[in-house]
Amino acid sequence: NAGVTQTPKFQVLKTGQSMTLQCAQDMNHNSMYWYRQDPGMGLRLIYYSASEGTTDKGEVPNGYNVSRLNKREFSLRLESAAPSQTSVYFCASRSEPGSTGELFFGEGSRLTVL
Amino acid sequence: DQQVKQNSPSLSVQEGRISILNCDYTNSMFDYFLWYKKYPAEGPTFLISISSIKDKNEDGRFTVFLNKSAKHLSLHIVPSQPGDSAVYFCAAGSNAGGTSYGKLTFGQGTILTVHP
Repeated sequence: NAGVTQTPKFQVLKTGQSMTLQCAQDMNHNSMYWYRQDPGMGLRLIYYSASEGTTDKGEVPNGYNVSRLNKREFSLRLESAAPSQTSVYFCASRSEPGSTGELFFGEGSRLTVL
Repeated sequence: DQQVKQNSPSLSVQEGRISILNCDYTNSMFDYFLWYKKYPAEGPTFLISISSIKDKNEDGRFTVFLNKSAKHLSLHIVPSQPGDSAVYFCAAGSNAGGTSYGKLTFGQGTILTVHP
């Protein structure tokens, strides 16, 4: 059981380049999330998708777009990368947005923007 | 506006002693709370949770206490083991609807080091 799978695990970009982080879950979860982790800031929510076909902004959405491709997949796109987007990105999923159940996280994608 | 705060960036304890990690929150709409543990180069993993209708939840060596009036929760690890060395995040969520619905808000994390 793979759980939540993120690709790529590492990426180096130059300022202005674009890229897409891919995330897939095999737990049949309805809700999916993208967080970023920065030193001293904890995990901050970028975007989330409560169910297939819906997406909403989180705490720090500027500079990002998302696509809920189907129930399994939720991608995060950086259209024009900036050094401030250097971070570790985590995708997560949960069975229902309104449950008290925990989020299941992927292993993370470390992005460096030069 | 940091709605969930972990004011201690780090904590160091001896093996076998108690570790106490603290977390404060400001949003009274939060009605459930979770603790996550994170090792380097891995994603956070769920540790323990508590609903706002309870004041204590226990799972083996881990106990979470919730003080709603103080908007404070703590995680106790007894006895602490070197393998517990990790970053611990507290998180809070709300099922009350509105803009917080379904989202977890995380604290900054506390680095726990357990010395042999």
